[in-house]
Amino acid sequence: EVQLVESGGGLVQPGGSLRLSCEVSGFTFSNSWMHWVRQAPGKGPMWVSRINGDGGSVTYADSVKGRFTVSRDNAKSTLYLQMNRLRAEDTAVYYCVSLARSIWGQGTLVTVSS
Amino acid sequence: QSVLTQPPSVSAAPGQKVAISCSGSSSNVESNFVSWYQQLPGTAPKVLIFENNNRPSGIPDRFSGSKSGTSATLDITGLQTGDEADYYCGAWDYSLNVYLFGSGTKVTVL
Repeated sequence: EVQLVESGGGLVQPGGSLRLSCEVSGFTFSNSWMHWVRQAPGKGPMWVSRINGDGGSVTYADSVKGRFTVSRDNAKSTLYLQMNRLRAEDTAVYYCVSLARSIWGQGTLVTVSS
Repeated sequence: QSVLTQPPSVSAAPGQKVAISCSGSSSNVESNFVSWYQQLPGTAPKVLIFENNNRPSGIPDRFSGSKSGTSATLDITGLQTGDEADYYCGAWDYSLNVYLFGSGTKVTVL
């Protein structure tokens, strides 16, 4: 069974950091592009970042560039999103996504508030 | 703000058909695959259509997708109360180098 399971969300103060993880099973993770998508409360989804199979190519949305870093550990079939200098507008449910396989995780909530 | 434009809402009676449009440009809809997502309240988006007109296993054939030029359309036939949800289109944009989601359409079953 194909599964994407996110973890690491929570409440963090503005300016703080958080690292999200996404454990993948059911398909060959190491040769798959992976994406992070977020959805703020009451808003539509917004693409955040992507990374290719070997981690050598990454792309970010302008709103997170320079603050977020996507990475992966193929030995652990795990995708990461390191989020630094968090802002209130980063508050959202963050989803791990395989667009090519049309698979989304269940999401993890990040709340940035003092 | 999204550059894939959808109508904010559509509605129809049970059993009827609705069509949701997704208007983009040459750098996204016209040149890349379009996907369609259904989102029920409190749940993650679910893929209804991928690569313009393909359904993942388990998605009923009441849902169908098409594309022409810079626009794509999701058709829902035999509308059911369980189809009440938000629907989004999505496509990669090679000019912006980002994946774009549509502005979203709320489907209401009258």
